[in-house]
Amino acid sequence: EPEVTQTPSHQVTQMGQEVILRCVPISNHLYFYWYRQILGQKVEFLVSFYNNEISEKSEIFDDQFSVERPDGSNFTLKIRSTKLEDSAMYFCASRPQGFSEQFFGPGTRLTVL
Amino acid sequence: GESVGLHLPTLSVQEGDNSIINCAYSNSASDYFIWYKQESGKGPQFIIDIRSNMDKRQGQRVTVLLNKTVKHLSLQIAATQPGDSAVYFCAVYGGATNKLIFGTGTLLAVQP
Repeated sequence: EPEVTQTPSHQVTQMGQEVILRCVPISNHLYFYWYRQILGQKVEFLVSFYNNEISEKSEIFDDQFSVERPDGSNFTLKIRSTKLEDSAMYFCASRPQGFSEQFFGPGTRLTVL
Repeated sequence: GESVGLHLPTLSVQEGDNSIINCAYSNSASDYFIWYKQESGKGPQFIIDIRSNMDKRQGQRVTVLLNKTVKHLSLQIAATQPGDSAVYFCAVYGGATNKLIFGTGTLLAVQP
């Protein structure tokens, strides 16, 4: 069964460093999403992406964040200058055209020291 | 804006009992509701969904009930098993891009 994959599973970085979180959505899906979950809290929407552009973003998704689909299979989330409060689980999700269900990846745990 | 919340943060049940997890939402225009299960260290996993033109939907051992009058959603799990132990989130679709707005989660602990 196809699934969303994410790498790395755990990323540790120093405050101020750039990180890139990678996702490979399910191959025939057209809508892509990033969510984050701070430890013990609910999952929060960050950004949605369709047709090679951002379609919606939350207040959390400020100028330090960017997304890219560089090669037609990968979907990346970049944080330019990480802050302590960026420490969280980051989930990628995708869905196909005409379907509502979003399929989530296993997440990347980002720890900012 | 939309908010989604849960009535109970932790629910402890005996194996074999039925579990009921509740959720409230604020936007009466919400038309699609989903329950997700999240096991430790994993991403949310789809369980069941329901659209606003229905008030009940059944899956395998799970039933979702929707009460639009009071903006309340519940997930019923029949014959709860140890493998059902997880955090359960309700979510609604919000915005033009169908982003998910999640509730705060209920931890279901199944005692053998």
